[in-house]
Amino acid sequence: DTGVSQDPRHKITKRGQNVTFRCDPISEHNRLYWYRQTLGQGPEFLTYFQNEAQLEKSRLLSDRFSAERPKGSFSTLEIQRTEQGDSAMYLCASSPRQSYGYTFGSGTRLTVV
Amino acid sequence: AQTVTQSQPEMSVQEAETVTLSCTYDTSESDYYLFWYKQPPSRQMILVIRQEAYKQQNATENRFSVNFQKAAKSFSLKISDSQLGDAAMYFCAYFPVPEKLVFGKGTKLTVNP
Repeated sequence: DTGVSQDPRHKITKRGQNVTFRCDPISEHNRLYWYRQTLGQGPEFLTYFQNEAQLEKSRLLSDRFSAERPKGSFSTLEIQRTEQGDSAMYLCASSPRQSYGYTFGSGTRLTVV
Repeated sequence: AQTVTQSQPEMSVQEAETVTLSCTYDTSESDYYLFWYKQPPSRQMILVIRQEAYKQQNATENRFSVNFQKAAKSFSLKISDSQLGDAAMYFCAYFPVPEKLVFGKGTKLTVNP
């Protein structure tokens, strides 16, 4: 296990389409985080899982966004009816405990045209 | 709400010289953690250094060190003997207890040969 993996690396989609991203955390990390990063900005928190439980969701996560982490392993982030404003880098990170600091994946860059 | 401010959008340094990146944060918590992350162009976010708020001693990691002033809510990063590979976006992040990192907007560091 070499780190946090995200798939795909890049996604171009038409406005109104649904997209799904996958994140595979480091296997022994029970905490998993999703962040969104737009150009020139720092990452913004979207949601957080401890094992399979989704413990917090940001107000940034509208009803069109849903995240799951079945069985406490990999996680998916789905965006329904994409809008141009959803274009961003979506980052996944994992951590073995809350104060340790995160290990980030390479991110999925979403472009909505 | 906790906020993290990086007042220098861009900084530059000559190779082999020292540069300091500034960060201030706003919180009412007494127990928290602070981090500096590095994000090279088109590459993933990497943890540079970590500071626990209850420790008065400043953290160091090889050429990287911090100046943590808890009363002033200041957390600057010093990079000594700068190398070309240090060129990246640097993000200061605050970790409240419990959960989720809050990032600043970042400082773009350029290293001139």
